[in-house]
Amino acid sequence: SAVISQKPSRDICQRGTSLTIQCQVDSQVTMMFWYRQQPGQSLTLIATANQGSEATYESGFVIDKFPISRPNLTFSTLTVSNMSPEDSSIYLCSVESGHEQYFGPGTRLTVT
Amino acid sequence: GQQVMQIPQYQHVQEGEDFTTYCNSSTTLSNIQWYKQRPGGHPVFLIQLVKSGEVKKQKRLTFQFGEAKKNSSLHITATQTTDVGTYFCAGAGTALIFGKGTTLSVSS
Repeated sequence: SAVISQKPSRDICQRGTSLTIQCQVDSQVTMMFWYRQQPGQSLTLIATANQGSEATYESGFVIDKFPISRPNLTFSTLTVSNMSPEDSSIYLCSVESGHEQYFGPGTRLTVT
Repeated sequence: GQQVMQIPQYQHVQEGEDFTTYCNSSTTLSNIQWYKQRPGGHPVFLIQLVKSGEVKKQKRLTFQFGEAKKNSSLHITATQTTDVGTYFCAGAGTALIFGKGTTLSVSS
C-alpha cells in the first residue's frame, strides 16, 4: 500500500497569484500522477511525473500553467500559476503501488 | 480521444435493494478499475479487472469486465447505508480515464 499526504489541504487564493501543492508518499514510486476534480465532477488527469524527467501533460494542460517538479522518488509538487476562478478545484496526487492506485487527500483550492 | 461513459449519474435506493452502475469505453481497455469516493473524501481503489469476461466479488460487490474489454459493471447486493458515495470506473488505455461516476444514496 501507499500513504500519501498533501499540503496544503485547502487554500483561498487571489486571481493572478500562484500556489504550489506538495505531495509526499511513504514509499518510493516510479510515477506520480496529478488529477483535478472540480466540484461534483469526475477526475481529470493533468500530468504524469517521473523522477528525473519532464512531466507528461494531458491534452488541455500545459507546463506553463501547471509546472511540476519531481526531485525524488517520494515527492512531487504541482504549481497552479496565474490563477483564475476557473482553477477552483480539488487537486489530487496519486501513485500506483502493487497494481493499485492510491490517492492523496486532495488540496481544495478556491480562487477569488 | 478515449472516452469512458458511466450510467446512471445518480441512483437512490432503499436499504436492502440492489444497485448497479455501468461503464462503457469508446476503445478497448487494457484494464478497468473501480473506485469509491465518500462525500468529502478522496477516491479509494476497489478493484482492477484485467481479463476479458472477468468477474470478481468482494462481499456484496460484484464486478464484471466485458468480453470485448470495453464495458464493465459494478453490482451491489442488498445495499446498506454505508454504501453511499460516488462510484467511479476508470479505464486504462494510454492513460487512466475516469467515468463521471454514479452517486448512490441509500435511505433506511
